Amino acid sequence: ETGVTQSPTHLIKTRGQQVTLRCSSQSGHNTVSWYQQALGQGPQFIFQYYREEENGRGNFPPRFSGLQFPNYSSELNVNALELDDSALYLCASSSGPKQTQYFGPGTRLLVL
Amino acid sequence: KQEVTQIPAALSVPEGENLVLNCSFTDSAIYNLQWFRQDPGKGLTSLLLIQSSQREQTSGRLNASLDKSSGRSTLYIAASQPGDSATYLCDRRPGGTSYGKLTFGQGTILTVHP
Repeated sequence: ETGVTQSPTHLIKTRGQQVTLRCSSQSGHNTVSWYQQALGQGPQFIFQYYREEENGRGNFPPRFSGLQFPNYSSELNVNALELDDSALYLCASSSGPKQTQYFGPGTRLLVL
Repeated sequence: KQEVTQIPAALSVPEGENLVLNCSFTDSAIYNLQWFRQDPGKGLTSLLLIQSSQREQTSGRLNASLDKSSGRSTLYIAASQPGDSATYLCDRRPGGTSYGKLTFGQGTILTVHP
């Protein structure tokens, strides 16, 4: 167990809807990174938050957005859901942007 | 273009065999390389982390090596057990300002038969 928790564990949405996924970082960690993992693929980096600021972004459209709160927990928001957004969404926390990342169990999103 | 490639994509072996999983990357300017294990539908568990200044790391039956010049890392699993069955992922953390962006391979699916 890494101490990183994610909610919800599973979610079903329909195309066009919006979704918010949540991540609680491990105690003492100030950095959260989000990844999308499609079935049979490796995780793809979405973005990273460090001390409440976005600290890097992968090749995802603007409808993927995020927040980090003063307690360093984080949210991933996805607007205008598409079928291809169906995936396992992983968050990872670390004690700094360059430090080892510890992953949560993920949220599995299904878009119908 | 795939930045991180893992070979083989899948591996099925009887219990007790020694295994080698390969990870290659196109950009040798790395900060570190990490091997993870992922059980079906679960998150990632870190196995070994190799800093760019290191050549290898060992933990129990696992040994990981790093050769930056050739852009390769190898995960060696000794005396495999059915409990080792999982997907193994390697990730490269780049240097410079992109250090937060881990780049994963597609993984090797390992099945160890009793």
